[in-house]
Amino acid sequence: DTEVTQTPKHLVMGMTNKKSLKCEQHMGHRAMYWYKQKAKKPPELMFVYSYEKLSINESVPSRFSPECPNSSLLNLHLHALQPEDSALYLCASSLTRGYQPQHFGDGTRLSIL
Amino acid sequence: DAKTTQPTSMDCAEGRAANLPCNHSTISGNEYVYWYRQIHSQGPQYIIHGLKNNETNEMASLIITEDRKSSTLILPHATLRDTAVYYCIVRVANYGGSQGNLIFGKGTKLSVKP
Repeated sequence: DTEVTQTPKHLVMGMTNKKSLKCEQHMGHRAMYWYKQKAKKPPELMFVYSYEKLSINESVPSRFSPECPNSSLLNLHLHALQPEDSALYLCASSLTRGYQPQHFGDGTRLSIL
Repeated sequence: DAKTTQPTSMDCAEGRAANLPCNHSTISGNEYVYWYRQIHSQGPQYIIHGLKNNETNEMASLIITEDRKSSTLILPHATLRDTAVYYCIVRVANYGGSQGNLIFGKGTKLSVKP
């Protein structure tokens, strides 16, 4: 069981659609992360939020738009995605951005038609 | 962050200890060694981390060599549920910049067999 909850678990969308991925944690963590994982590859960092402010954007295309409305919630807004964006999107959180371990959700599996 | 080298795959018999090696010969003094695993269709799961002393928790033991250039993750009694990809990650412990990020390598695919 994971303490980081991601919804939906699966999402299929067309290239012209707008959708959002949601991530929630209630552990009091103040750092939250988005990762992208392609099939048979390791996770790759996309964004880091620290105390609800965007700290790192790893040169992610603007069709991915993160949002952190409060300390427990992290969203990833998707618009005009490409087929190569099909992947598992993982959310993680940690107490702060220090050396504390990150706790991961089970991800949203996204397919772009 | 320093790079790590892990075997691509390993097998282990159920009930036996699984010893997963990791080489991190260029590790710096302020870098921790972290281990995560990813079971199929799940997110990565934190296992253990250490700086220079050996560490043990309810999941595993971490043995770090005295020169800190390599480490071994030990699962004392492997079960079929331990079949997963195991990632060894070296990470700077700081609060800013990108040096403290988790950079996943290819990991070791551990198969526990009956």
